[in-house]
Amino acid sequence: DAGVIQSPRHEVTEMGQEVTLRCKPISGHNSLFWYRQTMMRGLELLIYFNNNVPIDDSGMPEDRFSAKMPNASFSTLKIQPSEPRDSAVYFCASSPSRDVVQEAPLHFGNGTRLTVT
Amino acid sequence: QKEVEQDPGPLSVPEGAIVSLNCTYSNSAFQYFMWYRQYSRKGPELLMYTYSSGNKEDGRFTAQVDKSSKYISLFIRDSQPSDSATYLCALTGANNLFFGTGTRLTVIP
Repeated sequence: DAGVIQSPRHEVTEMGQEVTLRCKPISGHNSLFWYRQTMMRGLELLIYFNNNVPIDDSGMPEDRFSAKMPNASFSTLKIQPSEPRDSAVYFCASSPSRDVVQEAPLHFGNGTRLTVT
Repeated sequence: QKEVEQDPGPLSVPEGAIVSLNCTYSNSAFQYFMWYRQYSRKGPELLMYTYSSGNKEDGRFTAQVDKSSKYISLFIRDSQPSDSATYLCALTGANNLFFGTGTRLTVIP
């Protein structure tokens, strides 16, 4: 089991550019989550999918952010246009649970560290 | 008011010390209580979870939940340098999951 795989590990871009973050969940997990982590706000849930369908995107900060899950083994989080305040570590997590957590743990990837200058 | 409050630390202790990490919460609907450990430049990983009030022990780690006070704790006995990490509490109920901001722990050899 390779775990949740995220790419790239680091991304440095200029303000106004489009950024695409990628995630491959653990095979067989039917829920996928995108989180953003900053020192000030900690881990914030942006959006989660169940069986490739977006269930709750209320955490997506604004229209510049979009997420897709075209199939069970791939998801993307896109920021267009990017801004310096988007700088953070973005985590993808998957879970075998249908619901948000309950007793099934989230399995996190190692994150993408995004810096927008 | 945040759903979950956690002292960010940082916390430095000598090897062998007992460590106490704490979170408070405001919503009595929370049902599951978890602790995640996050090493530097890694994703969080589940360390322990509990459903009810009381204590749950796993090796050197004990998770404690006091629902009446809305207070959860993680105790680490005989702390080791390998325990140096950020510890995040996480609470869930009614299909929502909330993380604390994390406490950064350093165990000094």
